[in-house]
Parts: sequence; C-alpha cells; structure tokens
Amino acid sequence: GAGVSQSPRYKVTKRGQDVALRCDPISGHVSLYWYRQALGQGPEFLTYFNYEAQQDKSGLPNDRFSAERPEGSISTLTIQRTEQRDSAMYRCASSLSDRVAGGSPLHFGNGTRLTVT
Amino acid sequence: SQQGEEDPQALSIQEGENATMNCSYKTSINNLQWYRQNSGRGLVHLILIRSNEREKHSGRLRVTLDTSKKSSSLLITASRAADTASYFCATGSSNTGKLIFGQGTTLQVKP
Repeated sequence: GAGVSQSPRYKVTKRGQDVALRCDPISGHVSLYWYRQALGQGPEFLTYFNYEAQQDKSGLPNDRFSAERPEGSISTLTIQRTEQRDSAMYRCASSLSDRVAGGSPLHFGNGTRLTVT
Repeated sequence: SQQGEEDPQALSIQEGENATMNCSYKTSINNLQWYRQNSGRGLVHLILIRSNEREKHSGRLRVTLDTSKKSSSLLITASRAADTASYFCATGSSNTGKLIFGQGTTLQVKP
C-alpha cells in the first residue's frame, strides 16, 4: 500500500474485554515496530519485528500484551483483559531495512485510538 | 522507557523567526533522528545524524550532535505557520536494535 495502515482507527471497549489491533506495513518493509503514545508524550516503545521474528518485546507492559507477525507482513497487537490504564494511541511503524537502530527511518501509521471504559 | 529529553517542552514564535529545540540522551548511540508530528497524526521522519557527524543540513533544517555532551539540537530557520507541530528526537543503538523517542517539543509558529 501507499503507507502504513492501522485498523481500527478507533476502538472503544469495556474493561476486561480482549482487543486486537492490526497493522499493515508498507509492502516489502522488513522491520515493524509497535509504540504506545499518551497525549502530549512521545511514543513509548513496545516491541519490534524483523521479518516474522520478534526481536525485542521488552517494552510490553505486562503479559496481557502480545504481538505477532506470522508471515512477516501484517502484525497484530493483542491486549487481553483490558484495563482503563491501557487507553492510549497505539502506533505502528515500518522500515525498509532491518537496521532501524542503524539509521533506517520509520514510516508511521495514523494509529489506533483505544479507549477502555 | 524514554531515552531522550527535549527542551523546551513548548515553544511559540512568530513566522520568519528561527526555532531551536534541544534533545539530551543517556546512553551511547549510533545515530539520532528527528521526527515531526502534526496534530496527533503519524510521525514523519525529518533528518538523521550519525554519531560520527557533528552537523547536518536539509533545507531549512540544521541538526547538530555533540556526543561528548550527549545532546543534539534541531534548528528550523525562517519558520512558517506550517511548521507548527510536535518535534521528537529518537536515538538508535545497535546494542539494543530499538529506536527510542523523547518526550517532544511542541512548536507553535504564529502567522
């Protein structure tokens, strides 16, 4: 596609429900990152993949959060038993190279706004 | 956890003036990138400077890096109303493979 696509754009869910957030990266992009961004704050690293391999999940807040990218393209971030503190903008980004930390720029999607009531 | 800290948190200037934003970080890095974010939309990559570079230019943007002080600055010259946005620095380290963002500077350029 033309850019990184995230769906849904908005998600309102009740506390205790599971949610799945989808990211469709730019075609051919190797790396895929998930961030969480609170209002007025910078993106907070959650996890990232090179191809289908999850390279680092140290930013996932707890074991309710998980992510996968089974075929090295689309990725899903799943939050189980949601809590109000999970409410935030969740952003996905992809990069052509697997050397993001080495300087390959990230291309961001517009995010999924999650509200847990 | 956040790596970089931007300063100031907010900046308001008149169109035509220059805007300077600073970023400090804590650990060794391979490179530092600057991103812009308009009104809650996705971040857009602006410029990258590598750890062995001291200054880089791109159009009206000038970035400096001082690895001894673990700091960087972003200068936007002759600012325009369209430059109104939040600006974030992000640091990359080959040790971690991650790109870590700072808290950002919100810039308002008044026409």
